[in-house]
Amino acid sequence: GAGVSQSPSNKVTEKGKDVELRCDPISGHTALYWYRQSLGQGLEFLIYFQGNSAPDKSGLPSDRFSAERTGGSVSTLTIQRTQQEDSAVYLCASSLAEDTQYFGPGTRLTVL
Amino acid sequence: AQSVTQPDIHITVSEGASLELRCNYSYGATPYLFWYVQSPGQGLQLLLKYFSGDTLVQGIKGFEAEFKRSQSSFNLRKPSVHWSDAAEYFCAVGDYDYKLSFGAGTTVTVRA
Repeated sequence: GAGVSQSPSNKVTEKGKDVELRCDPISGHTALYWYRQSLGQGLEFLIYFQGNSAPDKSGLPSDRFSAERTGGSVSTLTIQRTQQEDSAVYLCASSLAEDTQYFGPGTRLTVL
Repeated sequence: AQSVTQPDIHITVSEGASLELRCNYSYGATPYLFWYVQSPGQGLQLLLKYFSGDTLVQGIKGFEAEFKRSQSSFNLRKPSVHWSDAAEYFCAVGDYDYKLSFGAGTTVTVRA
C-alpha cells in the first residue's frame, strides 16, 4: 500500500486479556518501529526492527510486551495480561534504513 | 541521552497570522531533527526534517524551520496560518541509533 497501515484502529479489552496489534509497513522499508502515545507519558519508543538484525527492545515497558516481525514485513505487537495503564495509542512507523520514519494511523487500545 | 523540550503546551493564533513553535533539544552531536503534525484521531505526518546542510529547512504546507546550533533550537514557523493548521505539533530528535525522542507536543488552535 501507499502508507503504513495498522489494525485494528480501535481495540477495547478487559483487564487481564491478551491483545495483538498489527502493523503493515510501507513496501520496501527495511526498518519498523513501535511507539506508544499516552496522556501521561507522551510519545515513547518501544521497539525497533531492522532487516534480519536482532530487534532493539530497550523501550518495552515490561515483559508482558513482545513483538515479532515476520518475513521482514508485517509486525505484531502483543501485550499479555493487559493492565489499565496499557491504555494508549500504539503507533507503528517504517523507514528505509535509518531514514525518515513514516507513521501509521495508530491503534487506540482501551483496557477496562 | 537526547531529549526535546517544547515549552508551549498550547498556542492560539488568528487565521492569517504568523505562527512560531519552539523546540529545544539536548544532544551531544549534530542531531537529526524532525517536526511532525498530528490531527485529531490521525497518525503523525512529517512536516520537515533536518539532517545536515542548510540550516533553514522548508517543509510541506508552507512550514519552515531553522536549526540553530548555538541555541540548541529547531523552531517551526509559518507566515500565515490557515484554519486547517489546527492540530498538535511534535518536535523530535534522533541520532545514529534511529530512535526518536519526542517533545510533549504543542496544540495549536486557530481562531477565525
